[in-house]
Amino acid sequence: SQTIHQWPATLVQPVGSPLSLECTVEGTSNPNLYWYRQAAGRGLQLLFYSVGIGQISSEVPQNLSASRPQDRQFILSSKKLLLSDSGFYLCAWRKANYGYTFGSGTRLTVV
Amino acid sequence: QKEVEQNSGPLSVPEGAIASLNCTYSDRGSQSFFWYRQYSGKSPELIMFIYSNGDKEDGRFTAQLNKASQYVSLLIRDSQPSDSATYLCAVQTGANNLFFGTGTRLTVIP
Repeated sequence: SQTIHQWPATLVQPVGSPLSLECTVEGTSNPNLYWYRQAAGRGLQLLFYSVGIGQISSEVPQNLSASRPQDRQFILSSKKLLLSDSGFYLCAWRKANYGYTFGSGTRLTVV
Repeated sequence: QKEVEQNSGPLSVPEGAIASLNCTYSDRGSQSFFWYRQYSGKSPELIMFIYSNGDKEDGRFTAQLNKASQYVSLLIRDSQPSDSATYLCAVQTGANNLFFGTGTRLTVIP
């Protein structure tokens, strides 16, 4: 069966520090992968998606970037965090015709 | 940005009652519709999906879709306290475009 892993579960980072969140998927090949952010009181916002190694699409301009160095690995990064980057970050993969399955998420607090 | 609208609630129902959750969407080209449940502090989990007009039943859950009215709903029969959560409606308009509403918080009162 397919599983999706995200880490870390929680993170507290100072403003201006770098960020790296990692997501890996097991049990499938060439998955479509997604990064969403859920800010307090707001819906899930699609940040990036990837349909293959090295292929990244950005949905909104922001302080973040994404990379896909391997087929089942998706990384979310920032060079310098802002207070507004705080939120609940969720990685997801798409199973054809069955919607998106989410990882357990990373709660990021920028202080 | 495609719009997906949900009543934020909170919606409170007594245990054993039917909970009715509603969602409207703006893009007539939307193809697939999903309901996710999210417990506080946890990630969303998929509970239902529907592609065609009409009803789709799965256990205590029924999803209803009306594309002409751009409306999708979720009914939860025999509501249990464990159903207390935020329910997210999601609408897919393309292969990689899944848009979420802000969710409806449901509380089932024992």
